Amino acid sequence: GENVEQHPSTLSVQEGDSAVIKCTYSDSASNYFPWYKQELGKGPQLIIDIRSNVGEKKDQRIAVTLNKTAKHFSLHITETQPEDSAVYFCAASISRRYSGAGSYQLTFGKGTKLSVIP
Amino acid sequence: NAGVTQTPKFRILKIGQSMTLQCAQDMNHNYMYWYRQDPGMGLKLIYYSVGAGITDKGEVPNGYNVSRSTTEYFPLRLELAAPSQTSVYFCASSYLSSGNTIYFGEGSWLTVV
Repeated sequence: GENVEQHPSTLSVQEGDSAVIKCTYSDSASNYFPWYKQELGKGPQLIIDIRSNVGEKKDQRIAVTLNKTAKHFSLHITETQPEDSAVYFCAASISRRYSGAGSYQLTFGKGTKLSVIP
Repeated sequence: NAGVTQTPKFRILKIGQSMTLQCAQDMNHNYMYWYRQDPGMGLKLIYYSVGAGITDKGEVPNGYNVSRSTTEYFPLRLELAAPSQTSVYFCASSYLSSGNTIYFGEGSWLTVV
């Protein structure tokens, strides 16, 4: 099955600096790559995603890049703020078929704890 | 919309006891999921459902059971609780298509002693 590796496991940056989190995946059939942010005591929340037909996607201070040849994708957060402190998870999915319907099952990385120091 | 609602938030079980984690979503999503999250291990899929009456095993199904009698509800049953089932459990849901963004509940913290 799919295997997703995520690095680093912890990351500390000064407020205003950039943060980069990297993930690799094993199955070349994966075609959907979301990133989730989990605040303390909360469930994960989608912050950005990218599909295999796109190399980069931006949403304000957040961007994700995808290199399908190398099978890796990265999350970039610019101008970090204290409220960016959280655990970030990458994930990869392959479209599966079940009873004739399409299905996306996510395989998650182990998470990166980002701390933004004021 | 309340989104995905899980109950209880916290629970302590004794070894061998059974319990059901409740999950409801009001977004009319076809797909529902149960994940467990252990420290430093990310999220592992326990069971999922593509619609009412249809369920399937995920990566770590042993010791759990699910049912999906309606679109809205997807309870997770723990039979004969074991310390290895101490974890945080997340229910989630998504549409069949349109990007398949998965929406998570707030989590249920379960301790088996």
